[in-house]
Amino acid sequence: GAVVSQHPSWVICKSGTSVKIECRSLDFQATTMFWYRQFPKQSLMLMATSNEGSKATYEQGVEKDKFLINHASLTLSTLTVTSAHPEDSSFYICSARDLQGVGAFFGQGTRLTVV
Amino acid sequence: AQTVTQSQPEMSVQEAETVTLSCTYDTSESDYYLFWYKQPPSRQMILVIRQEAYKQQNATENRFSVNFQKAAKSFSLKISDSQLGDAAMYFCALRGATNKLIFGTGTLLAVQP
Repeated sequence: GAVVSQHPSWVICKSGTSVKIECRSLDFQATTMFWYRQFPKQSLMLMATSNEGSKATYEQGVEKDKFLINHASLTLSTLTVTSAHPEDSSFYICSARDLQGVGAFFGQGTRLTVV
Repeated sequence: AQTVTQSQPEMSVQEAETVTLSCTYDTSESDYYLFWYKQPPSRQMILVIRQEAYKQQNATENRFSVNFQKAAKSFSLKISDSQLGDAAMYFCALRGATNKLIFGTGTLLAVQP
């Protein structure tokens, strides 16, 4: 199956700093990638849809200036958490549509801790 | 709006037995896809099985099968011959024309040896 690689798998940063998370499709081209946030023992909440070569589409309630998304190529999307605060601590997961555009394959996730 | 509901927060099954996880959904679209994802403690999301809404035949993947009742908007997952490795959180998901995956709240499955 298609492979999606997410990096880093975990990161600890200080309040006020920015953190970049990368999501790569390793063996296929992904025109669309999705970013989710998951709190402990909860479901995945879609944050935004990342489209190659255009601006991301954010879900209601997600601050686009805080969560910057860039999808500069067909294999890479990045999520930058700007001016991170402890409440931004969470598990972030990306996914990319598969070749047939039917399912979605997920990265390994990134555990962000803001101290 | 599209919604996915999983009414069983936790389930338990004996090894080698069969368990069914429930999922109901709501959508006004006629063309959509339904999925079951498994999330083990590693938190890697793994696709278990998918169902195209236009197909009447229930999808099957080895020990995993679904009972898709389109009129009732029900999409349950049956795991046969349960194994210890099946223990995980299971999420039901719906994808419509917007291509967004809408997830249910999940069912935590425990497998007893």
